[in-house]
Amino acid sequence: AQTVTQSQPEMSVQEAETVTLSCTYDTSENNYYLFWYKQPPSRQMILVIRQEAYKQQNATENRFSVNFQKAAKSFSLKISDSQLGDTAMYFCAFMKHGGATNKLIFGTGTLLAVQP
Amino acid sequence: DAGVIQSPRHEVTEMGQEVTLRCKPISGHDYLFWYRQTMMRGLELLIYFNNNVPIDDSGMPEDRFSAKMPNASFSTLKIQPSEPRDSAVYFCASSLAAGYGYTFGSGTRLTVV
Repeated sequence: AQTVTQSQPEMSVQEAETVTLSCTYDTSENNYYLFWYKQPPSRQMILVIRQEAYKQQNATENRFSVNFQKAAKSFSLKISDSQLGDTAMYFCAFMKHGGATNKLIFGTGTLLAVQP
Repeated sequence: DAGVIQSPRHEVTEMGQEVTLRCKPISGHDYLFWYRQTMMRGLELLIYFNNNVPIDDSGMPEDRFSAKMPNASFSTLKIQPSEPRDSAVYFCASSLAAGYGYTFGSGTRLTVV
């Protein structure tokens, strides 16, 4: 079974600084997808970024980028120029590729606080 | 596009009562998911549907929980009878196809007293 581990329960960063959130996963699959979701205090789950495992290039969405290390089974999220609105719980998630399976398996989350 | 719509946003009920949560997925999305979020257990997949057919209900806690998707634009999650340990935020999400990210609804916060 696949598992997703986020070893940092809480993190803090100053506004305008850069922060990196860690995520590791365990799988025997070769093809899969990885995601980062953000959950602000409003509790809405928002997709931040998606990575396809068979692509070497790291995904980027504006100030958000990932460092995908397939051999190490690591998928960290970098937030550049942190803003107060980035304060949220961040979840890393794994999805197996292929067939009708479309299940997202989530990590336990990292609570990020952006300080003014 | 209005996104995934869930109702109600909050529900407070007494133990033993029946609770029905509702979800309208995004039009054209083939997959619909029900998740439960608690502090202790995090985000758990309860059940998901593909083209209105339940594919995996292995996460449904027990027989008190049931889910239906009578058509492509509506799904319900029912708890009968409800218990205090069912208190959680219940999310509905939909997805265009396998491999795509989910779009989540705003969730229903259920409190069973």
